[in-house]
Amino acid sequence: AQSVAQPEDQVNVAEGNPLTVKCTYSVSGNPYLFWYVQYPNRGLQFLLKYITGDNLVKGSYGFEAEFNKSQTSFHLKKPSALVSDSALYFCAVRDSNAGNNRKLIWGLGTSLAVNP
Amino acid sequence: EADIYQTPRYLVIGTGKKITLECSQTMGHDKMYWYQQDPGMELHLIHYSYGVNSTEKGDLSSESTVSRIRTEHFPLTLESARPSHTSQYLCASMGHYYEQYFGPGTRLTVT
Repeated sequence: AQSVAQPEDQVNVAEGNPLTVKCTYSVSGNPYLFWYVQYPNRGLQFLLKYITGDNLVKGSYGFEAEFNKSQTSFHLKKPSALVSDSALYFCAVRDSNAGNNRKLIWGLGTSLAVNP
Repeated sequence: EADIYQTPRYLVIGTGKKITLECSQTMGHDKMYWYQQDPGMELHLIHYSYGVNSTEKGDLSSESTVSRIRTEHFPLTLESARPSHTSQYLCASMGHYYEQYFGPGTRLTVT
């Protein structure tokens, strides 16, 4: 079955330290992978995507993500966290089943708290 | 941010009322989606559309209905609101590389 896992419900990091939010996936074929951020009382904002090419993808607000095919992972990273990065982060992958490939499969979300 | 709009942003309504949540986008995207999300929780797909006159139910059973008469417009209707419908409703459209763009959401409270 196709799935996305975000193994950590919450990640805590000190401001200025690097942060990592983990995501693993299981789909057939080549994955289309996405990261989104959600601030309180807002919709989701698109951060970055991996379709093909360089395994290190750069996105908005200084975030980047590393695609690792052998580990089926797509972890979100930032070299130096800001308090304003505190939010809910979602990983998603395109459903590769025929007929469903215009839908995304979503992780459960990871709450990131950056402490001053 | 992407050009996708939802109204109202907040709605408090009594049980049994009929409501329509509006969603519109100016990007010309064919594919649009409605999600239901409790605060801080996962997303549940309740409806989607791949184009005009195309609508499908999503993975989570919902008592709501949708219509797609115009490309840019994808309203969601609840014929008779109940307290169990209290939630946040997010509308999205899909771009060329399968990325989804979200509206700001409608937070619905049914009393």
